[in-house]
Amino acid sequence: NAGVMQNPRHLVRRRGQEARLRCSPMKGHSHVYWYRQLPEEGLKFMVYLQKENIIDESGMPKERFSAEFPKEGPSILRIQQVVRGDSAAYFCASSRTGSNNEQFFGPGTRLTVL
Amino acid sequence: GENVEQHPSTLSVQEGDSAVIKCTYSDSASNYFPWYKQELGKRPQLIIDIRSNVGEKKDQRIAVTLNKTAKHFSLHITETQPEDSAVYFCAASMDDYKLSFGAGTTVTVRA
Repeated sequence: NAGVMQNPRHLVRRRGQEARLRCSPMKGHSHVYWYRQLPEEGLKFMVYLQKENIIDESGMPKERFSAEFPKEGPSILRIQQVVRGDSAAYFCASSRTGSNNEQFFGPGTRLTVL
Repeated sequence: GENVEQHPSTLSVQEGDSAVIKCTYSDSASNYFPWYKQELGKRPQLIIDIRSNVGEKKDQRIAVTLNKTAKHFSLHITETQPEDSAVYFCAASMDDYKLSFGAGTTVTVRA
Protein backbone atom coordinates (compact mmCIF):
# COMPACT_ATOMS: atom_id res chain seq x y z
CA ASN A 1 0.00 0.00 0.00
CA ALA A 2 1.79 3.10 -1.24
CA GLY A 3 1.91 6.04 1.11
CA VAL A 4 0.95 9.61 0.35
CA MET A 5 2.65 10.72 -2.84
CA GLN A 6 3.65 14.27 -3.68
CA ASN A 7 5.27 15.68 -6.77
CA PRO A 8 7.40 17.32 -7.64
CA ARG A 9 9.72 16.88 -4.65
CA HIS A 10 11.59 20.06 -5.55
CA LEU A 11 10.26 22.99 -7.52
CA VAL A 12 12.09 26.15 -8.52
CA ARG A 13 10.15 29.11 -9.80
CA ARG A 14 10.97 32.71 -10.61
CA ARG A 15 8.95 35.51 -9.08
CA GLY A 16 5.65 35.94 -10.90
CA GLN A 17 5.42 32.37 -12.18
CA GLU A 18 2.86 29.79 -11.14
CA ALA A 19 3.55 26.76 -8.93
CA ARG A 20 1.40 23.63 -9.05
CA LEU A 21 1.89 21.03 -6.33
CA ARG A 22 0.26 17.64 -6.55
CA CYS A 23 -0.76 15.19 -3.85
CA SER A 24 -2.12 11.67 -4.19
CA PRO A 25 -3.60 10.40 -0.91
CA MET A 26 -3.18 6.89 0.41
CA LYS A 27 -5.49 4.29 -1.04
CA GLY A 28 -8.84 4.39 0.71
CA HIS A 29 -8.30 7.93 2.03
CA SER A 30 -10.74 10.61 0.92
CA HIS A 31 -9.59 13.46 3.20
CA VAL A 32 -6.64 15.63 2.22
CA TYR A 33 -4.87 18.39 4.14
CA TRP A 34 -2.20 20.84 3.04
CA TYR A 35 0.37 22.31 5.43
CA ARG A 36 3.21 24.77 4.91
CA GLN A 37 6.51 24.56 6.78
CA LEU A 38 8.89 27.48 6.85
CA PRO A 39 12.55 26.80 7.78
CA GLU A 40 12.95 25.80 11.43
CA GLU A 41 9.24 26.23 12.11
CA GLY A 42 6.31 23.91 12.69
CA LEU A 43 3.74 23.03 10.10
CA LYS A 44 0.92 25.51 9.52
CA PHE A 45 -2.50 24.30 8.42
CA MET A 46 -3.62 25.69 5.07
CA VAL A 47 -6.64 23.81 3.76
CA TYR A 48 -8.73 20.67 4.26
CA LEU A 49 -10.49 19.03 1.32
CA GLN A 50 -12.65 16.06 0.60
CA LYS A 51 -13.41 14.85 -2.89
CA GLU A 52 -14.73 17.81 -4.88
CA ASN A 53 -15.23 19.90 -1.73
CA ILE A 54 -13.19 22.45 0.20
CA ILE A 55 -14.13 21.94 3.85
CA ASP A 56 -11.87 24.50 5.53
CA GLU A 57 -9.50 26.93 3.84
CA SER A 58 -9.02 29.21 6.84
CA GLY A 59 -5.24 28.81 6.79
CA MET A 60 -4.77 29.67 3.15
CA PRO A 61 -3.88 33.20 2.00
CA LYS A 62 -6.89 34.86 0.36
CA GLU A 63 -5.01 35.82 -2.76
CA ARG A 64 -2.89 33.81 -5.20
CA PHE A 65 -3.47 30.46 -3.44
CA SER A 66 -6.09 27.89 -4.40
CA ALA A 67 -6.63 24.19 -3.84
CA GLU A 68 -8.77 21.50 -5.35
CA PHE A 69 -9.39 17.78 -4.97
CA PRO A 70 -11.26 16.60 -8.05
CA LYS A 71 -13.32 13.46 -8.33
CA GLU A 72 -10.54 11.86 -10.34
CA GLY A 73 -6.85 12.55 -9.91
CA PRO A 74 -4.65 14.13 -7.27
CA SER A 75 -5.26 17.14 -5.09
CA ILE A 76 -3.63 20.28 -6.46
CA LEU A 77 -2.29 23.27 -4.53
CA ARG A 78 -1.83 26.15 -6.90
CA ILE A 79 0.15 29.31 -6.17
CA GLN A 80 -0.11 32.07 -8.72
CA GLN A 81 2.42 34.87 -9.18
CA VAL A 82 4.82 33.41 -6.63
CA VAL A 83 6.91 35.69 -4.41
CA ARG A 84 10.07 34.92 -2.44
CA GLY A 85 8.03 34.58 0.75
CA ASP A 86 6.26 31.56 -0.73
CA SER A 87 9.51 29.57 -0.50
CA ALA A 88 8.79 26.74 1.92
CA ALA A 89 8.13 23.04 2.19
CA TYR A 90 4.52 22.16 1.41
CA PHE A 91 3.28 18.94 2.93
CA CYS A 92 0.13 17.08 2.06
CA ALA A 93 -1.49 14.63 4.47
CA SER A 94 -4.41 12.27 4.10
CA SER A 95 -6.70 10.39 6.44
CA ARG A 96 -9.39 7.77 6.13
CA THR A 97 -11.96 9.89 7.93
CA GLY A 98 -11.97 13.49 9.07
CA SER A 99 -12.64 12.92 12.73
CA ASN A 100 -9.29 13.10 14.54
CA ASN A 101 -8.07 10.21 12.47
CA GLU A 102 -4.35 9.74 12.01
CA GLN A 103 -3.01 11.98 9.26
CA PHE A 104 -0.33 10.38 7.10
CA PHE A 105 2.07 12.85 5.55
CA GLY A 106 3.64 12.87 2.14
CA PRO A 107 7.35 13.59 1.54
CA GLY A 108 6.66 17.26 0.80
CA THR A 109 7.41 19.61 -2.05
CA ARG A 110 10.19 22.08 -1.46
CA LEU A 111 9.39 25.26 -3.34
CA THR A 112 12.16 27.75 -4.00
CA VAL A 113 11.28 31.11 -5.49
CA LEU A 114 14.19 32.92 -7.08
CA GLY B 1 -7.60 29.64 17.00
CA GLU B 2 -5.47 27.14 18.85
CA ASN B 3 -1.95 28.15 19.91
CA VAL B 4 0.58 25.45 20.78
CA GLU B 5 3.84 26.26 22.57
CA GLN B 6 6.65 23.69 22.64
CA HIS B 7 9.77 23.53 24.83
CA PRO B 8 12.67 23.17 24.64
CA SER B 9 13.58 24.08 21.08
CA THR B 10 16.72 21.94 21.27
CA LEU B 11 17.59 19.01 23.50
CA SER B 12 20.85 17.10 23.71
CA VAL B 13 20.95 13.88 25.73
CA GLN B 14 23.44 11.11 26.34
CA GLU B 15 22.56 7.78 24.80
CA GLY B 16 20.56 5.77 27.30
CA ASP B 17 19.20 8.81 29.13
CA SER B 18 15.62 10.05 28.95
CA ALA B 19 14.28 12.97 26.89
CA VAL B 20 11.23 15.01 27.82
CA ILE B 21 9.46 17.52 25.59
CA LYS B 22 6.62 19.68 26.88
CA CYS B 23 3.78 21.43 25.07
CA THR B 24 0.99 23.72 26.18
CA TYR B 25 -2.17 24.56 24.29
CA SER B 26 -4.58 27.44 24.59
CA ASP B 27 -8.03 26.12 23.74
CA SER B 28 -9.66 23.84 26.29
CA ALA B 29 -11.83 22.40 23.50
CA SER B 30 -8.82 20.63 21.97
CA ASN B 31 -9.28 16.89 22.29
CA TYR B 32 -6.64 15.16 20.16
CA PHE B 33 -2.88 15.44 20.67
CA PRO B 34 -0.52 13.66 18.26
CA TRP B 35 3.28 13.70 18.27
CA TYR B 36 5.25 13.56 15.04
CA LYS B 37 8.91 12.76 14.40
CA GLN B 38 10.62 14.34 11.41
CA GLU B 39 14.08 13.30 10.31
CA LEU B 40 16.10 15.71 8.20
CA GLY B 41 14.53 16.11 4.77
CA LYS B 42 11.89 13.50 5.48
CA ARG B 43 8.16 13.51 6.05
CA PRO B 44 6.65 13.90 9.56
CA GLN B 45 5.63 10.53 10.96
CA LEU B 46 3.19 9.91 13.77
CA ILE B 47 4.87 8.23 16.73
CA ILE B 48 2.13 8.39 19.35
CA ASP B 49 -1.13 10.20 20.01
CA ILE B 50 -3.47 10.73 22.93
CA ARG B 51 -7.09 11.77 23.22
CA SER B 52 -8.56 13.94 25.94
CA ASN B 53 -10.33 11.08 27.69
CA VAL B 54 -6.98 9.48 28.52
CA GLY B 55 -4.27 10.79 30.88
CA GLU B 56 -1.33 8.67 29.78
CA LYS B 57 -0.37 6.37 26.94
CA LYS B 58 2.74 4.27 26.46
CA ASP B 59 4.27 2.48 23.50
CA GLN B 60 7.56 0.73 24.27
CA ARG B 61 10.11 3.50 24.98
CA ILE B 62 7.72 6.34 24.21
CA ALA B 63 5.04 7.71 26.51
CA VAL B 64 2.76 10.73 26.43
CA THR B 65 0.97 12.36 29.36
CA LEU B 66 -1.89 14.82 29.22
CA ASN B 67 -3.04 17.27 31.89
CA LYS B 68 -6.31 18.76 30.68
CA THR B 69 -6.68 21.07 33.66
CA ALA B 70 -3.31 22.69 33.08
CA LYS B 71 -3.62 22.34 29.29
CA HIS B 72 -0.28 20.73 28.77
CA PHE B 73 1.01 17.44 27.44
CA SER B 74 4.45 15.88 27.35
CA LEU B 75 6.45 13.33 25.38
CA HIS B 76 8.84 11.05 27.24
CA ILE B 77 11.47 8.96 25.46
CA THR B 78 13.35 6.53 27.68
CA GLU B 79 16.64 4.72 26.97
CA THR B 80 17.37 7.04 24.07
CA GLN B 81 19.26 5.69 21.05
CA PRO B 82 21.07 7.52 18.22
CA GLU B 83 18.16 6.80 15.86
CA ASP B 84 15.93 8.88 18.13
CA SER B 85 17.77 11.99 16.89
CA ALA B 86 15.23 14.04 14.92
CA VAL B 87 12.86 16.99 15.19
CA TYR B 88 9.76 16.23 17.25
CA PHE B 89 6.51 18.17 16.84
CA CYS B 90 3.54 18.20 19.15
CA ALA B 91 0.12 19.14 17.82
CA ALA B 92 -3.37 19.80 19.10
CA SER B 93 -6.71 19.55 17.33
CA MET B 94 -9.99 21.16 18.36
CA ASP B 95 -11.88 20.88 15.10
CA ASP B 96 -11.54 17.14 14.63
CA TYR B 97 -9.13 17.65 11.75
CA LYS B 98 -7.14 20.88 11.90
CA LEU B 99 -3.79 20.20 13.57
CA SER B 100 -2.03 23.15 15.21
CA PHE B 101 1.66 22.32 15.54
CA GLY B 102 4.30 23.44 17.99
CA ALA B 103 7.52 24.90 16.62
CA GLY B 104 9.44 21.66 17.11
CA THR B 105 12.22 20.28 19.32
CA THR B 106 15.50 19.18 17.78
CA VAL B 107 16.67 16.16 19.76
CA THR B 108 20.29 15.04 19.50
CA VAL B 109 21.32 11.78 21.14
CA ARG B 110 25.05 11.71 21.86
CA ALA B 111 26.74 8.32 21.56
